[in-house]
Order: sequence, then structure tokens, then C-alpha cells
Amino acid sequence: AQSVTQPDIHITVSEGASLELRCNYSYGATPYLFWYVQSPGQGLQLLLKYFSGDTLVQGIKGFEAEFKRSQSSFNLRKPSVHWSDAAEYFCAVGAQRNDMRFGAGTRLTVKP
Amino acid sequence: KAGVTQTPRYLIKTRGQQVTLSCSPISGHRSVSWYQQTPGQGLQFLFEYFSETQRNKGNFPGRFSGRQFSNSRSEMNVSTLELGDSALYLCASSLGTSGYEQYFGPGTRLTVT
Repeated sequence: AQSVTQPDIHITVSEGASLELRCNYSYGATPYLFWYVQSPGQGLQLLLKYFSGDTLVQGIKGFEAEFKRSQSSFNLRKPSVHWSDAAEYFCAVGAQRNDMRFGAGTRLTVKP
Repeated sequence: KAGVTQTPRYLIKTRGQQVTLSCSPISGHRSVSWYQQTPGQGLQFLFEYFSETQRNKGNFPGRFSGRQFSNSRSEMNVSTLELGDSALYLCASSLGTSGYEQYFGPGTRLTVT
């Protein structure tokens, strides 16, 4: 069965600094990979997705992620964090028929 | 296009009662999935409906059930509520074909007292 691990429960970065959120997955075939962001009390918003092709994918709000099959990873990056990026970030792996599995989430705090 | 809508947004129920939550997907989306989100367990998949049929089911007791109507709107029902059912219930819609991304509604916050 597929699974997702987000090793970092909480990360704090200074505004303007770079960001990398880690995600490792376990799945027997080529997975569909997603990053979602959730602001307090809200639903999840899709940041980006990987299905196939170019392993570096661009998303909304200046985020990007790189798929590395050899490391079973799909890390999320942003070159310069803004205070409005403070939220919880979820990595997810999808397989057939929308059977998605989410990681536990990483809470991002942005220091002024 | 309007997004995924969920009603009600907030709900307070007493142990032993039952509750029905509603989800209206994005127009044209045929798949609706339900998730339970709690601080302790995170995001857990409840079930998915596609064209009025339950296509996938997570590991939840039979007290949790759902259905989907011909217009793709979906309802989720929880019977005999327990304190542990307090959670944010999220609905997500998608085109339904393998690999397509899901779009989430704002959720229904259920509190069981």
C-alpha cells in the first residue's frame, strides 16, 4: 500500500529565506504526487502535482518540487518565503481511483 | 467555476446522535471523496463515490456511510456519534479518472459533546 512520510512536523524560517519541505513516499509503481497547503480552519489548496515527465514541477505561489525516483522523494521548495506562506503543508500520493494518502503535514512558521 | 461547497460549516452534536454532512462538487466532477482530519490522526480517507457508486473505502467503522446523487452531490452520515468523531470533515471532488487532482471544500467542523 502507498504511504507518505513528512519527517518534519514543524519548521520555522525567516521571511526572505529559502524553504525546503521534505516528503518521502512508498509505492510500488510510479505514483502521482501532490503538495497541498492548508491555512487554519480552511480546506486544502493544491500547490502542484507530478504525474510524469519533467521531474521538476512548478506550482502556484512560487513553489516548486522535484521528483527523485531513486530517493523516493518529492520535496517542496521556495527560494524566498513570505509571511503569508505560514500554513500547514501536506504531501500526498495518489494511485488508482483517487485513493490518496496524505502525509502527517509540516507546519511552517515564518519569522519576521 | 464555483468551487466545492460543504454545508453546514459548523455543527455541534451530542453523543449518540446522528449527523448528515453535504458536499456539492465542482461542476463536471463525478468523483467525491471524504476525509476526516483530526490533530491526532491527521487526514484520513473515508470513502470515495463515483457515478453514485462507492468506489473506495477507508478503514472506518460502519457508522460512517455516504451516498452520491445523480447530480454528483454527496452526503456523508455518521450514526451514533462518539466524542472521537469530533473533527474537520473535508470533501474533495475530481474528474474521477486515475491521477487527476482533487479539489477540496472548506470543510465541516463537527463537535461532539
